[in-house]
Amino acid sequence: GAGVSQSPRYKVAKRGQDVALRCDPISGHVSLFWYQQALGQGPEFLTYFQNEAQLDKSGLPSDRFFAERPEGSVSTLKIQRTQQEDSAVYLCASSLASGAGSGRGDTQYFGPGTRLTVL
Amino acid sequence: AQSVTQPDIHITVSEGASLELRCNYSYGATPYLFWYVQSPGQGLQLLLKYFSGDTLVQGIKGFEAEFKRSQSSFNLRKPSVHWSDAAEYFCAVVTRMIKAAGNKLTFGGGTRVLVKP
Repeated sequence: GAGVSQSPRYKVAKRGQDVALRCDPISGHVSLFWYQQALGQGPEFLTYFQNEAQLDKSGLPSDRFFAERPEGSVSTLKIQRTQQEDSAVYLCASSLASGAGSGRGDTQYFGPGTRLTVL
Repeated sequence: AQSVTQPDIHITVSEGASLELRCNYSYGATPYLFWYVQSPGQGLQLLLKYFSGDTLVQGIKGFEAEFKRSQSSFNLRKPSVHWSDAAEYFCAVVTRMIKAAGNKLTFGGGTRVLVKP
């Protein structure tokens, strides 16, 4: 079965350019997460979707970051006017449940990530 | 605020030797704890998780972890490492969102494991 896929795998952008990163979660998964992983660090939460609803965007570092999941499946993370500090690996994860109650133990399945380098 | 600490940034171990990776968490309620492994160019793969019951948890690839509430620890162990275990390992805890019953993960900084032949 297909896992979580992300595209592109690598993206080089000039400072000031806009980028769009795509995530295809596992079919039928309700929850979708975006994480940012800076070099040599653990992933940090960016935003969370339950189906098409963005329920938490507290981790987005600035208003240049925007995420959507319009039909409750594929998600796109957009970064406007990229800066050098945006260079990182962007990971997408999906899980089957909504996370309520016992769903807190639900496994998140991660994609391979998109490595963004801003020059 | 919830946090996860992995005190060891790098560990070098000989092939066939035992391995223990340390993880300490700070969380007010009963934690949901996870260990993930990340190989170069790969996404994160779940090794094991704990949220209730037996405090010794078995995972994939021969790994196990023990939850110790009194020490706020969830250390990962493997009795005999293989060269293919060279990777980065992350401990994580589920934190409860305020606005929604989601399960976002808070990760430690990771421990990079090098395996000597």
